[in-house]
Amino acid sequence: GENVEQHPSTLSVQEGDSAVIKCTYSDSASNYFPWYKQELGKRPQLIIDIRSNVGEKKDQRIAVTLNKTAKHFSLHITETQPEDSAVYFCAASDLLGAGGTSYGKLTFGQGTILTVHP
Amino acid sequence: DTGVSQDPRHKITKRGQNVTFRCDPISEHNRLYWYRQTLGQGPEFLTYFQNEAQLEKSRLLSDRFSAERPKGSFSTLEIQRTEQGDSAMYLCASSLYSSGGLRDTQYFGPGTRLTVL
Repeated sequence: GENVEQHPSTLSVQEGDSAVIKCTYSDSASNYFPWYKQELGKRPQLIIDIRSNVGEKKDQRIAVTLNKTAKHFSLHITETQPEDSAVYFCAASDLLGAGGTSYGKLTFGQGTILTVHP
Repeated sequence: DTGVSQDPRHKITKRGQNVTFRCDPISEHNRLYWYRQTLGQGPEFLTYFQNEAQLEKSRLLSDRFSAERPKGSFSTLEIQRTEQGDSAMYLCASSLYSSGGLRDTQYFGPGTRLTVL
């Protein structure tokens, strides 16, 4: 099955700096890669996602890049703010069943605790 | 509130007891997923439904766990003979999946936190 590795496990930055979180996946059949933000005691919330037919996607201060050959994808947050402090999870999924298995389920990374200091 | 809802939000039970959780997805969503999250870890897939059909169940899920989605709307997750290792946050997510669409955005509920004493 799919295995997703995420690093770093913790990341501390100063307000205004950039933050980068990296994930690698093992199953070449994976074709959908969402990123979730989870604040303490809250539900995971989707912040951005990317499909395998796209190499990069940007939404205001957040961007995600995907390298299918190397099987890794990254989250980039620019101009960080204290409210960006949370746990961030990457995930991978095979939406088309190309891998011969059922599709749709998300395999998550272990999470990155991001702290943005004012 | 039109988001995913779960009930109860917290459940404390004694080892050996049975517990049942409920998830109400976003109304037009055809897929419903159950995940389990322990402290410091990412959510781990348990099972999922497309309409009323249960399409996959994790191999990590013991026979003590069962889930239903009888009318293709709400779902229940039952744990029989609970063990301390079952203590976790149980998350439900729903999505609107269409074949051929390379997107299946999952929206999560607030979770049910289970504590087994």
